[in-house]
Amino acid sequence: AQTVTQSQPEMSVQEAETVTLSCTYDTSENNYYLFWYKQPPSRQMILVIRQEAYKQQNATENRFSVNFQKAAKSFSLKISDSQLGDTAMYFCAFRDETSYDKVIFGPGTSLSVIP
Amino acid sequence: NAGVTQTPKFRVLKTGQSMTLLCAQDMNHEYMYWYRQDPGMGLRLIHYSVGEGTTAKGEVPDGYNVSRLKKQNFLLGLESAAPSQTSVYFCASRLTGPRYGYTFGSGTRLTVV
Repeated sequence: AQTVTQSQPEMSVQEAETVTLSCTYDTSENNYYLFWYKQPPSRQMILVIRQEAYKQQNATENRFSVNFQKAAKSFSLKISDSQLGDTAMYFCAFRDETSYDKVIFGPGTSLSVIP
Repeated sequence: NAGVTQTPKFRVLKTGQSMTLLCAQDMNHEYMYWYRQDPGMGLRLIHYSVGEGTTAKGEVPDGYNVSRLKKQNFLLGLESAAPSQTSVYFCASRLTGPRYGYTFGSGTRLTVV
């Protein structure tokens, strides 16, 4: 069975510093997609970044970047120059290539940015 | 540019009452989903739809029904609410193709007393 694990239930970072959130997954598939979602206190979940497994280059979106290690089945999120607005729950998610419905979400990491 | 709109945002029901949650998207997305989010349980898929007129069961469909009569709308119904259905409900939609992520609504907090 496919699983997604986020081993850090809570993290904190000083404003303007860099923080890395961990995510590991388990799958026997070769082609799949990985996502990070952010859920701020306002509750609405927002897609932060996406990575296709067949791409070796790590995805980047402004201050957000990933470190995708396919062999290790690791997909960490790095937030640079942390801002107060980055305070949120962060969910890692996995979808295989053939799935309509089967998105596996991790349990989430609660990130607090401290002024 | 509304994205995904859920109504209502909050609701309190008595056990046995019925209600319908409405999800509307203006992005012409084919796929739509209903999730529930509970503490310690993460996000769980209730039902989903891959196009107008289609619906399918997800991980936790019991006690819920859905309809997708129009492409832009996805309704979630509770026929006889139970306290176990107290949760935050999220609607999401996406473009066709597994590479696309979800666009979520802002959620509905439902309490069944």
